[in-house]
Amino acid sequence: GAVVSQHPSWVICKSGTSVKIECRSLDFQATTMFWYRQFPKQSLMLMATSNEGSKATYEQGVEKDKFLINHASLTLSTLTVTSAHPEDSSFYICSARDMRVGLNEQFFGPGTRLTVL
Amino acid sequence: AQSVAQPEDQVNVAEGNPLTVKCTYSVSGNPYLFWYVQYPNRGLQFLLKYITGDNLVKGSYGFEAEFNKSQTSFHLKKPSALVSDSALYFCAVTNQAGTALIFGKGTTLSVSS
Repeated sequence: GAVVSQHPSWVICKSGTSVKIECRSLDFQATTMFWYRQFPKQSLMLMATSNEGSKATYEQGVEKDKFLINHASLTLSTLTVTSAHPEDSSFYICSARDMRVGLNEQFFGPGTRLTVL
Repeated sequence: AQSVAQPEDQVNVAEGNPLTVKCTYSVSGNPYLFWYVQYPNRGLQFLLKYITGDNLVKGSYGFEAEFNKSQTSFHLKKPSALVSDSALYFCAVTNQAGTALIFGKGTTLSVSS
């Protein structure tokens, strides 16, 4: 089956620094990837839709200058949390849509736990 | 606007008993419905989906779900619960193939031995 990886699986950083999270589709190509954020014991909230070769589409209330998304290839999307603050601490999960015809399922990465001190 | 409701924060069942985790949805057009399971500090694992066809969908680990259009529900079921089924379960919906999913708030399933 389709596999999506995320790196790193967890990261601890100081307030004010930037953190980059990678999302890779390992055995399929994904023109579209999604980034979600999950607070403890809460649901996943869509942050943005990442499209290969074009600008990401952000959900209302998500600061695009703070959460930079780049989808440079059909297998890689990155989320950079710029000037991170403690309130950015969360579990970030990406998903990738398999672009093969007839498949409309999203495959989720294992998530990245970000802790900002 | 699309939405998903999981009315129960937690469901408790004894091992060997049947379990049901409820989900109702609101979406314009035809729904694409999904169930995922999440273990602590892990990503989401796909259980099953309904796109079209038979209203009873069978998925991974013995789980199944029944699509009920008139009640706009997609309840997750399993005939005999296992302690290892204890986890957080999410129902999700979209109305267009390949678009982002809207998730319910999640239901914690606790299976006691």
